[in-house]
Amino acid sequence: DGGITQSPKYLFRKEGQNVTLSCEQNLNHDAMYWYRQDPGQGLRLIYYSQIVNDFQKGDIAEGYSVSREKKESFPLTVTSAQKNPTAFYLCASSTGQGPSPLHFGNGTRLTVT
Amino acid sequence: AQSVAQPEDQVNVAEGNPLTVKCTYSVSGNPYLFWYVQYPNRGLQFLLKYITGDNLVKGSYGFEAEFNKSQTSFHLKKPSALVSDSALYFCAVRVAGGTSYGKLTFGQGTILTVHP
Repeated sequence: DGGITQSPKYLFRKEGQNVTLSCEQNLNHDAMYWYRQDPGQGLRLIYYSQIVNDFQKGDIAEGYSVSREKKESFPLTVTSAQKNPTAFYLCASSTGQGPSPLHFGNGTRLTVT
Repeated sequence: AQSVAQPEDQVNVAEGNPLTVKCTYSVSGNPYLFWYVQYPNRGLQFLLKYITGDNLVKGSYGFEAEFNKSQTSFHLKKPSALVSDSALYFCAVRVAGGTSYGKLTFGQGTILTVHP
């Protein structure tokens, strides 16, 4: 089955450590996205990528970094500069064309203490 | 700029009754509108979308949504609610065409609870 795989499902880190969240898709989609979800705030866009080796900042990119070396993969690094990293992180992909809907992974819940 | 408002944090209905989850939007130009559903600790699932044309859009699991341009609304509806419909629902918008390349703006979500 085609889909998006995020790993791990739960991640625990100490404050001051960088951590990388994995996102892999086998839908052959050009566009990939990272969203952050906090209770009562909906989803906020962190970074998105339209094509390999290209990505753009979303609304809350500070303290995060990404890479897009392969079409299938779009890892997100949460750096120590992110002031409130504890959240639920969702990766998504789409064809990027017209009104194509987003397809989401099942998320990674990151807890930083 | 584009924005979405879901005025109700929670909606409670009895099983078998009709349900409505409200959404209003703001966008410069014509909108693409979407509804997604999220179950606990899972990703979002696409329900339906409005692109153009018929104002009543039908989607998955018996859901439908009514687009109203004058009221800038896109309310989600279902004629007869099921307990299994209980979940978190998100409305999302992006401007049609343009350079946003699929970049959506989401509302804050509405928790739907259907009581047996």
